[in-house]
Amino acid sequence: DQQVKQNSPSLSVQEGRISILNCDYTNSMFDYFLWYKKYPAEGPTFLISISSIKDKNEDGRFTVFLNKSAKHLSLHIVPSQPGDSAVYFCAALKGTGRRALTFGSGTRLQVQP
Amino acid sequence: NAGVTQTPKFRVLKTGQSMTLLCAQDMNHEYMYWYRQDPGMGLRLIHYSVGEGTTAKGEVPDGYNVSRLKKQNFLLGLESAAPSQTSVYFCASSSTLAYEQYFGPGTRLTVT
Repeated sequence: DQQVKQNSPSLSVQEGRISILNCDYTNSMFDYFLWYKKYPAEGPTFLISISSIKDKNEDGRFTVFLNKSAKHLSLHIVPSQPGDSAVYFCAALKGTGRRALTFGSGTRLQVQP
Repeated sequence: NAGVTQTPKFRVLKTGQSMTLLCAQDMNHEYMYWYRQDPGMGLRLIHYSVGEGTTAKGEVPDGYNVSRLKKQNFLLGLESAAPSQTSVYFCASSSTLAYEQYFGPGTRLTVT
């Protein structure tokens, strides 16, 4: 039972355009969401996060939007750069106690020069 | 400041052999985690620790044991390796002040 789903295994965009990566979740107990970026042969690196009390969080070229009623979040990258080519994982956290992340299966982003 | 380091980077085991994966962090983090990543899947939590001397089961704990004797180290053990344990293993840590976890570079384990 996948509680965090990334339904697009891959996405290809042109350099300079917007990349939109999507994530859906089923567990309404999730109240904090994170995006990680992963290059081959490396560990995931934290990108940006959002609390369920917000609907938007921005950090430079990266913006995360949260729609709680739809149980949906998205990561926008504007403008996209070739160095953004990586696998992006959405992760969710419920409550403050256990701190264990539930990950989606990832979306491979390729930014074409 | 090395962050989170993992030893070894690669390992090949035969079915039934045992091994220990070592994770070390130098950020003085309270929480530490072991995940595995399989093709087409996200990372799944094996075991975690909320402090020195404590461990708890995650989503996929069967076939693994862990120990956290020192705050900076978290060991993952496979007592009798099985081909189903072929995976990439990631260790992570986090502080009590923030939710984001910091990951090591991973250990690629193949069990034949």
